[in-house]
Amino acid sequence: ETGVTQTPRHLVMGMTNKKSLKCEQHLGHNAMYWYKQSAKKPLELMFVYNFKEQTENNSVPSRFSPECPNSSHLFLHLHTLQPEDSALYLCASSQVGGGLENEQFFGPGTRLTVL
Amino acid sequence: AQSVTQLDSHVSVSEGTPVLLRCNYSSSYSPSLFWYVQHPNKGLQLLLKYTSAATLVKGINGFEAEFKKSETSFHLTKPSAHMSDAAEYFCVVRVPNGKLTFGQGTILTVHP
Repeated sequence: ETGVTQTPRHLVMGMTNKKSLKCEQHLGHNAMYWYKQSAKKPLELMFVYNFKEQTENNSVPSRFSPECPNSSHLFLHLHTLQPEDSALYLCASSQVGGGLENEQFFGPGTRLTVL
Repeated sequence: AQSVTQLDSHVSVSEGTPVLLRCNYSSSYSPSLFWYVQHPNKGLQLLLKYTSAATLVKGINGFEAEFKKSETSFHLTKPSAHMSDAAEYFCVVRVPNGKLTFGQGTILTVHP
């Protein structure tokens, strides 16, 4: 595997379900991100992790719970979601620090549908 | 604060004709600017980036963009469109803390 991978690619869940999205980066980066891409809206940054520590939470509802057990893996735990949470969830990674801020590399996304 | 405006939500061209996707930005800092492309059911792929070096930036697949500070623009161009260029394109500004702000995207359609 190379780059940034995400599983599952598609997920359909009911509002009472609990599910998790997984992201893995094989690039040796030290920062990972979750974005939400809804129809007709710009990408919205949800969470940022630098060196496994959460450094940004853009007022995301608590029904979304991120987890970063190590610098290569990032999860997004979902529970009691609403239909308006249906979107494409994109994971990205980058190398930060040392005076450099390199571009973010994106995974293919998980298409989430909440019924 | 920074913002990005992509001036066209849809652009349609014929194969072999030039492509112009327009982007204007505002930033309190000296920004880094990017263009990403997203093909259907795929993640975002970096096309090119401007990071205060040469103002004319060449990217992959024959795309290039010119940073014009006086016009606060970073328009994406390609001399000759190919069918495989059909996708959605995002202009992105990055500020020193690393935060990215995305434009709303421009869907490029290429007709045979």
